[in-house]
Amino acid sequence: DQQVKQNSPSLSVQEGRISILNCDYTNSMFDYFLWYKKYPAEGPTFLISISSIKDKNEDGRFTVFLNKSAKHLSLHIVPSQPGDSAVYFCAASYNFNKFYFGSGTKLNVKP
Amino acid sequence: DAGITQSPRHKVTETGTPVTLRCHQTENHRYMYWYRQDPGHGLRLIHYSYGVKDTDKGEVSDGYSVSRSKTEDFLLTLESATSSQTSVYFCAIGGVFAYGYTFGSGTRLTVV
Repeated sequence: DQQVKQNSPSLSVQEGRISILNCDYTNSMFDYFLWYKKYPAEGPTFLISISSIKDKNEDGRFTVFLNKSAKHLSLHIVPSQPGDSAVYFCAASYNFNKFYFGSGTKLNVKP
Repeated sequence: DAGITQSPRHKVTETGTPVTLRCHQTENHRYMYWYRQDPGHGLRLIHYSYGVKDTDKGEVSDGYSVSRSKTEDFLLTLESATSSQTSVYFCAIGGVFAYGYTFGSGTRLTVV
């Protein structure tokens, strides 16, 4: 019973275009959401976060959108670069010391 | 890795043997976590600790035990390893709320 779901295992995008990664959750108690990026043979690293009191948070090329009514969040990367090729995990929490992760989406940005 | 190291990085062990993975941090964080990463499942919480000698179970704790006798060390033990415990194990430490966890580089465990 995954409480956080990433239904697209992979995504391929051309360099310079927008990448949109999606995440759905089932627990309405979640009030904090994060995206992590993971390269092979490395641990996940924090990318961007959003609290449930906001619907958008932007950091450079990365923007996270939160739709609480739909229990959906998305990560937009504009413009996409080959170095963005990695696995992206979304995570959610209602107690900041315990996060639930999605299964990940592997992004491939083609030069 | 922001002061968090895992050992060993790779291990191959036989079914039925006990295995201990170590996580060491130099950040003095109160919270430490063990996750496993498997294809199709993402990262799943095994156990976590909220202080010395204070631990609790996560989503997939069966077959695992943990110990934390010092702030800096969090040990994960597979009492009797099974092939289903073949996975990549990540340790994490709790950071400032806005930034979630900081992860170690992982331990790839293969049970044959």
